[in-house]
Amino acid sequence: GESVGLHLPTLSVQEGDNSIINCAYSNSASDYFIWYKQESGKGPQFIIDIRSNMDKRQGQRVTVLLNKTVKHLSLQIAATQPGDSAVYFCAEARNTGNQFYFGTGTSLTVIP
Amino acid sequence: EAQVTQNPRYLITVTGKKLTVTCSQNMNHEYMSWYRQDPGLGLRQIYYSMNVEVTDKGDVPEGYKVSRKEKRNFPLILESPSPNQTSLYFCASSWSSEYEQYFGPGTRLTVT
Repeated sequence: GESVGLHLPTLSVQEGDNSIINCAYSNSASDYFIWYKQESGKGPQFIIDIRSNMDKRQGQRVTVLLNKTVKHLSLQIAATQPGDSAVYFCAEARNTGNQFYFGTGTSLTVIP
Repeated sequence: EAQVTQNPRYLITVTGKKLTVTCSQNMNHEYMSWYRQDPGLGLRQIYYSMNVEVTDKGDVPEGYKVSRKEKRNFPLILESPSPNQTSLYFCASSWSSEYEQYFGPGTRLTVT
């Protein structure tokens, strides 16, 4: 069936390095994608989003890249900090944008 | 403070005993949604609501009911809970389905 998945379940990076978290999606009709961060014991928190008419969007220390040809989404975190340690989820909006599908998450650990 | 609140935060119940998890938001958001989070499966959408009196099924609606009589409240009802509904539940809200969702702190439900 259709799914939103992630290439790696865990990722460890040194503090100060850049992090890249990947996500694959399978529904070419999806037109809105979001990255969320979830810290232990808390609800997911919005990081950045991108619509299908864009290839790249930048925020504060984060960049999302969308490759519709291969149905791939990535989140880049610059100068990763210990506070970035969390689980990161990509989400995809389907059904004219009303219904959301989340990936299984990537656990990012930042090594001081 | 803008927030999504859920009650209770923790609940242990027995099979078949009806329960309601409340969700309330103070941001005048139109879109509200319920998710469950299970290890290895990420977040899965149960039901969503586009506005008052407008609700629709998400990916895993079986065994759940919702209502949206007021804009700020979106309760999740389990008429006859079963052990496979043991999970971590999140409520979320947003201006519309095309905007970032704000998540509540979660409700840990155990059905024995």
